Amino acid sequence: EAGVAQSPRYKIIEKRQSVAFWCNPISGHATLYWYQQILGQGPKLLIQFQNNGVVDDSQLPKDRFSAERLKGVDSTLKIQPAKLEDSAVYLCASRRRLLGEETQYFGPGTRLLVL
Amino acid sequence: AQTVTQSQPEMSVQEAETVTLSCTYDTSESDYYLFWYKQPPSRQMILVIRQEAYKQQNATENRFSVNFQKAAKSFSLKISDSQLGDAAMYFCAYRNTGNQFYFGTGTSLTVIP
Repeated sequence: EAGVAQSPRYKIIEKRQSVAFWCNPISGHATLYWYQQILGQGPKLLIQFQNNGVVDDSQLPKDRFSAERLKGVDSTLKIQPAKLEDSAVYLCASRRRLLGEETQYFGPGTRLLVL
Repeated sequence: AQTVTQSQPEMSVQEAETVTLSCTYDTSESDYYLFWYKQPPSRQMILVIRQEAYKQQNATENRFSVNFQKAAKSFSLKISDSQLGDAAMYFCAYRNTGNQFYFGTGTSLTVIP
C-alpha cells in the first residue's frame, strides 16, 4: 500500500509571500491531519478533516492559514502571507475510519523556510 | 485541554542495553489512546507502539514495551537490547475521543556503540 504523499519536500520563500502544500493520503483513509512541527518541538495539530469536512481547526491561524480537502481525498494547506515564525516542517497524516484502527500514518513532510 | 509532557529532552544508551523514556499526560477523559512515535533525523515519523487506555495489559512490540500507569497518567517506553538504528527522536502522543492527537516535545535518543 502506498504511503502518505506530500509535495513539495522543501520550500524557501520570503516573508509576506504565499505558499501551498499538497497531501495525498493513503487510499481509503477518511481522516486527514495537518501538523506544524517547529524545530525542536513536537507536532502541533493545525486541522483535522473527516472526508471533506473540518472536524477541528481550533489551532489553525485562520488569518493567514487555510486548508481544504475537496472531494474528501487530496488536501492543500496554504499560508498567505507567510511570516518568519511559520518556518517549520508541515506534516500530513491520515487514518482509516475503522473500529480498532487507531493509528495515523505520516507523510515525509514539507520543510518550509521563510526568509 | 490535553497536554503531554516528556521531561527528558535527551537520553543515551549503550548498544545492547535497556533504556526507558518517560511520558506523562493530563486528561479528564477515561477512554483514549497513547502512542510512541519514532522520528529518525530527516526521516518520516513512524509508529513504535500504541496502548488503549481501557486495556490493563501493557503493550509489547518485539524489543519495545510500555509501562502504562493509568491512575498516575504515566506512559513510559522501554527499549530493550538497544540497536544503533534505534537512535532517533521519540514522541509520546495522546489521542482523545474526538480523534485529535497531542504530542509531547520529544526525547532525543543516542545509542552509543
